[in-house]
Amino acid sequence: KQEVTQIPAALSVPEGENLVLNCSFTDSAIYNLQWFRQDPGKGLTSLLLIQSSQREQTSGRLNASLDKSSGRSTLYIAASQPGDSATYLCAVGGYSGGGADGLTFGKGTHLIIQP
Amino acid sequence: GAVVSQHPSWVICKSGTSVKIECRSLDFQATTMFWYRQFPKQSLMLMATSNEGSKATYEQGVEKDKFLINHASLTLSTLTVTSAHPEDSSFYICSARRQGYAFFGQGTRLTVV
Repeated sequence: KQEVTQIPAALSVPEGENLVLNCSFTDSAIYNLQWFRQDPGKGLTSLLLIQSSQREQTSGRLNASLDKSSGRSTLYIAASQPGDSATYLCAVGGYSGGGADGLTFGKGTHLIIQP
Repeated sequence: GAVVSQHPSWVICKSGTSVKIECRSLDFQATTMFWYRQFPKQSLMLMATSNEGSKATYEQGVEKDKFLINHASLTLSTLTVTSAHPEDSSFYICSARRQGYAFFGQGTRLTVV
């Protein structure tokens, strides 16, 4: 059974800092990996999707890497801003369904960017 | 971009009653939708996979007779929590995939009193 772990569980830093959020998963046979942002009491916003054949994806100040063989992914946030404050979730999609499986989520990293 | 809409965003119901939650894909067709549940300070847990025109597939430990799923069209899946109890109080959220991306609804906060 796939398990996803996110470290750290919480992080509070001054704005302007560059951040790295970590995600690890136990079964390397994944179809893809997706990073989300969740604001309090709200749904999820998709940030980046990395297919199993890819090593990284970039969108604006966000960069996500994937090392499937070691079961790790990192989300890099450059020049953090108070608006980046949210919970960041890592989720992996199983391979058996060819991408049609539901996702397995980590518990998230609760990020606070201090103005 | 693709949008998944979920309704209602919050609901309070009495113990023993049933509650229906709707999940719609607004600008694309989704043969498969997913229902998740999130308890406070816990991760989202997949409850079931909703398949258009066929029975839903439930994850281990999820009671199919309690959480009824209907996927009657390519743009609508519903989750009905039957005979709700306080322990069913949670955040329920649906998802649909488009071109590999999983898009999520806004979620429904269910409180059973």
